Order: sequence, then C-alpha cells, then structure tokens
Amino acid sequence: GAGVSQSPSNKVTEKGKDVELRCDPISGHTALYWYRQSLGQGLEFLIYFQGNSAPDKSGLPSDRFSAERTGGSVSTLTIQRTQQEDSAVYLCASSLDRGGYIQYFGAGTRLSVL
Amino acid sequence: KQEVTQIPAALSVPEGENLVLNCSFTDSAIYNLQWFRQDPGKGLTSLLLIQSSQREQTSGRLNASLDKSSGRSTLYIAASQPGDSATYLCAVIDNQGGKLIFGQGTELSVKP
Repeated sequence: GAGVSQSPSNKVTEKGKDVELRCDPISGHTALYWYRQSLGQGLEFLIYFQGNSAPDKSGLPSDRFSAERTGGSVSTLTIQRTQQEDSAVYLCASSLDRGGYIQYFGAGTRLSVL
Repeated sequence: KQEVTQIPAALSVPEGENLVLNCSFTDSAIYNLQWFRQDPGKGLTSLLLIQSSQREQTSGRLNASLDKSSGRSTLYIAASQPGDSATYLCAVIDNQGGKLIFGQGTELSVKP
C-alpha cells in the first residue's frame, strides 16, 4: 500500500476484555515496529519484527501483551485482560530494513479502556 | 540506558522567525537520529534522518545537525510559518540498529 495502515482507528473496550490491533506495513518493508504513546510516558517502544528473525520483545510491559507477524507482512498486537493503564495510542511503523532506514508511521489506534 | 531529552518543551514564536529546537542523548553509541513532526491526533511524519557518520541534513527550510560526541542534535527551522505548528520529536536508534528511543517532544506554535 501507499503507507502504513492501522485498524481500527479508535477502540473503546471494557476493563478485562481482550483487544486486537492490526498493522499493515508498506509493501516490501522487512522491519515492523510497535510503539505506544501515552500522556505520562511519551512514546515508548514495544516490539519489533525483522524478516524471519526472532522478534525483539524487550519493550512489552507485561505478559498480557503479545504480537505476531504473519507471512512477513501484517502484524497484530493483542492485549489480554485490558486495564485502564493500557489506554494509549498504539502506533505501528515499518522500514525497508532495520538500522539506517527511515521508519514510516501509521496514524495509530487510540485505545480507551473503561 | 539511552535517554533522550528535548528542550524546550514548548515554544511560541511569531511568524517569520528562525528557531532552533534542541535534542540531547546520553549514549553517543547511536546508529542514527531522526526528527519527526506530529500533528494533533495524527501519526508521526519523518522530517530528517541523520546517519551517525553525518554532521547535518537539510530539507527545504529545515536543517538538522548532529554532534555525536557531545550527544546533541539541533533542528533549525527558517522563516517559520503557522503551518509549522506541531510537536517535534527527536529519536535515536542505538547501535543494535532497531528500535527508536524518543524524546518527550517540543510543542511549537507559530503565531500569524
């Protein structure tokens, strides 16, 4: 596609429910990243995928968070048993490769946990 | 642990002024540095990327410099316009070459 696409753009859920956020990266980009932007914490890294390598999960805040990338393209970020502190904007980015390449961001998914 | 700091947190200037946004980082072992712009409710738009071996990059009215040894970068905006109003974010990639580590951003307002 022309850019990084994320869905849904907004998600409202009840505390304790599971949610899935989707990211469709730019075609041909081998690296895909998830970040979270919240008022108190700014922009923080969650996880990234590079080709067929094992993902770097070092930024995931708890074991309620997981992500997968199927077929080296679309990625899904899953949050289980959501808590109010999970409310944030979840941003996805992709780049041609890891390292010295520009990361292109999607518009984000705004998650609100009631 | 790498930390990125941006000063000032907010800046308001009249249209036409030249301005400088500052970014500092604690670990000079970076792969590259990127400046982004974020409009309210929107994602991030990449403005400039400076590789660790470079000193500066220019795009139109924007010029970004990098002094890796001192852990500093500046974003210079010439002849500012109201359309430049946004939050500007600085981010570094460490030598592992993966994730971006962001500063808290500078919120810029350019008054007509």
